[in-house]
Amino acid sequence: AQSVSQHNHHVILSEAASLELGCNYSYGGTVNLFWYVQYPGQHLQLLLKYFSGDPLVKGIKGFEAEFIKSKFSFNLRKPSVQWSDTAEYFCAVKGSQGNLIFGKGTKLSVKP
Amino acid sequence: NAGVTQTPKFQVLKTGQSMTLQCAQDMNHEYMSWYRQDPGMGLRLIHYSVGAGITDQGEVPNGYNVSRSTTEDFPLRLLSAAPSQTSVYFCASSYRRGGFYEQFFGPGTRLTVL
Repeated sequence: AQSVSQHNHHVILSEAASLELGCNYSYGGTVNLFWYVQYPGQHLQLLLKYFSGDPLVKGIKGFEAEFIKSKFSFNLRKPSVQWSDTAEYFCAVKGSQGNLIFGKGTKLSVKP
Repeated sequence: NAGVTQTPKFQVLKTGQSMTLQCAQDMNHEYMSWYRQDPGMGLRLIHYSVGAGITDQGEVPNGYNVSRSTTEDFPLRLLSAAPSQTSVYFCASSYRRGGFYEQFFGPGTRLTVL
């Protein structure tokens, strides 16, 4: 069965620190990969997506992710976080039913 | 475009009551789905539909029914609410572009079952 693992449950950083959130997936076929963000009290918003081409994907708000096929990974990065990045981040892979299979999420708290 | 809309935003039910969570989209998307979000569990698929008249079960379908009579609407019915159904429910719709689905989420319905 397809699955997504996010390694960190809760990450606490100070402003201007660099961020890397880990994501590994299990799926042997063609993958479509996503990172979503959920700000407190809000719904999910798409940060970035990968479905083919350049494995380094740039998204909104300065986020980027790198697809490494050999490692089944799609880690999210940001060089310098801001307090406004405090949110929960979800990695997801497109499932065989056309749905999204989500990881359990990583809460990011950024201290001002 | 309003995108994906959900009503109500909040609901409190007593055990055994029934209700319908509404979901509508105005983007003419063929694919719609319902997820529930629980702390530490991420989002899990309840039911989905690939077009009007076609529905199928996801990962956690028990206790829920769906129907898709139109492209725009995809209601989720709780037949007899249980405390285990306390959750936040998100509806999503998506279009298929070259085999790729981009999903758009509604604002969610926070349901409490007492």
